[in-house]
Amino acid sequence: NAGVTQTPKFQVLKTGQSMTLQCAQDMNHEYMSWYRQDPGMGLRLIHYSVGAGITDQGEVPNGYNVSRSTTEDFPLRLLSAAPSQTSVYFCASRPGGGRSTDTQYFGPGTRLTVL
Amino acid sequence: GNSVTQMEGPVTLSEEAFLTINCTYTATGYPSLFWYVQYPGEGLQLLLKATKADDKGSNKGFEATYRKETTSFHLEKGSVQVSDSAVYFCALGGSQGNLIFGKGTKLSVKP
Repeated sequence: NAGVTQTPKFQVLKTGQSMTLQCAQDMNHEYMSWYRQDPGMGLRLIHYSVGAGITDQGEVPNGYNVSRSTTEDFPLRLLSAAPSQTSVYFCASRPGGGRSTDTQYFGPGTRLTVL
Repeated sequence: GNSVTQMEGPVTLSEEAFLTINCTYTATGYPSLFWYVQYPGEGLQLLLKATKADDKGSNKGFEATYRKETTSFHLEKGSVQVSDSAVYFCALGGSQGNLIFGKGTKLSVKP
């Protein structure tokens, strides 16, 4: 199993550009989520999905869109990049739709810089 | 709302020293508690977890006990190694199925 994969690893954008961060998992996990990691802030939840076709907002959803058309993929779209979105983005997945006791598996991250 | 507070870093120790990283939480109910570790340039990995009060999670020489009375989940290791240098995150299970993280504690172990 490849686990949770993310592409790209690094990205530089200009203000106003859009892009999609890719996330895929091959463990047949129902639950997938996106976090952003900022210095001194820990990780904060952006969006999450409890299964294909179902998504919901987390703590910091503004400026981001998600969709979940398949169990495996959960892309994160930046609609119009802003410098405040400079961060490291992590995708995570776990088995089980709603329970929070399962281990979450994290991807290697995407480091995004918005100029 | 639910939250996690962990000790500020960085923490610098000599090899074979004893490690404690404090973590306390605020939550309604009794959520599961976790310690995740992030090695340089990598994503987060589960280190250990506890799902109910008085449970002890352990892995790779690290331990933490779920203390309901003190709302704590302190991480301990009796003898750290250089390879333990990383950032450690305390987290609790959130109502959205997510993890609510502390700010992280950077540990550096010197030979």
